[in-house]
Amino acid sequence: AQSVTQPDIHITVSEGASLELRCNYSYGATPYLFWYVQSPGQGLQLLLKYFSGDTLVQGIKGFEAEFKRSQSSFNLRKPSVHWSDAAEYFCAVGTLNTGTASKLTFGTGTRLQVTL
Amino acid sequence: NAGVTQTPKFQVLKTGQSMTLQCAQDMNHNSMYWYRQDPGMGLRLIYYSASEGTTDKGEVPNGYNVSRLNKREFSLRLESAAPSQTSVYFCASSESRFRLKETQYFGPGTRLLVL
Repeated sequence: AQSVTQPDIHITVSEGASLELRCNYSYGATPYLFWYVQSPGQGLQLLLKYFSGDTLVQGIKGFEAEFKRSQSSFNLRKPSVHWSDAAEYFCAVGTLNTGTASKLTFGTGTRLQVTL
Repeated sequence: NAGVTQTPKFQVLKTGQSMTLQCAQDMNHNSMYWYRQDPGMGLRLIYYSASEGTTDKGEVPNGYNVSRLNKREFSLRLESAAPSQTSVYFCASSESRFRLKETQYFGPGTRLLVL
């Protein structure tokens, strides 16, 4: 069965510092990987996704993620964090159930706090 | 476009009461989903509907029922609410039932407190 691990429950960074959020997945086939962001009191918004090709994926709001098959990882990065990036970030793997809908399996999330 | 809308935003129930959470999308998507979000557990899939007229169980379906009323609307019903169902509920939709590449679009959530 597929699973997603986000080892960091909570991360604090200073505004302007770089950021890396870790994500490890377990899935037997080619993974379809996603990062979503949830701002306080809001629903989830897609930041970026990876299916194939270039292993470095660019997303919205200046985020990028790198797929490393050998490490089963899909870490999210941002060179310079802004205070508005404070939110909860979820990594997810997309899986296909035979004959039915695809579904997302989510990690438990990483809460990002940004200090000024 | 409003995207995915959910009502109500917040609800308090007493144990044993019933209620229906409403979800609608205006993106002409085929597939719709209900998730619950609990602290430290991420989002877990309750039920989904691959297309109009079909529904299937997800990871945590016990205590819930769903109805895909039409292509736009997908409701979640709690017949007899329990404190363990206190959670934030998200509805989502995606264009295609089969394509893994499809982005799921989420509503703003319903916060449910069961006393």
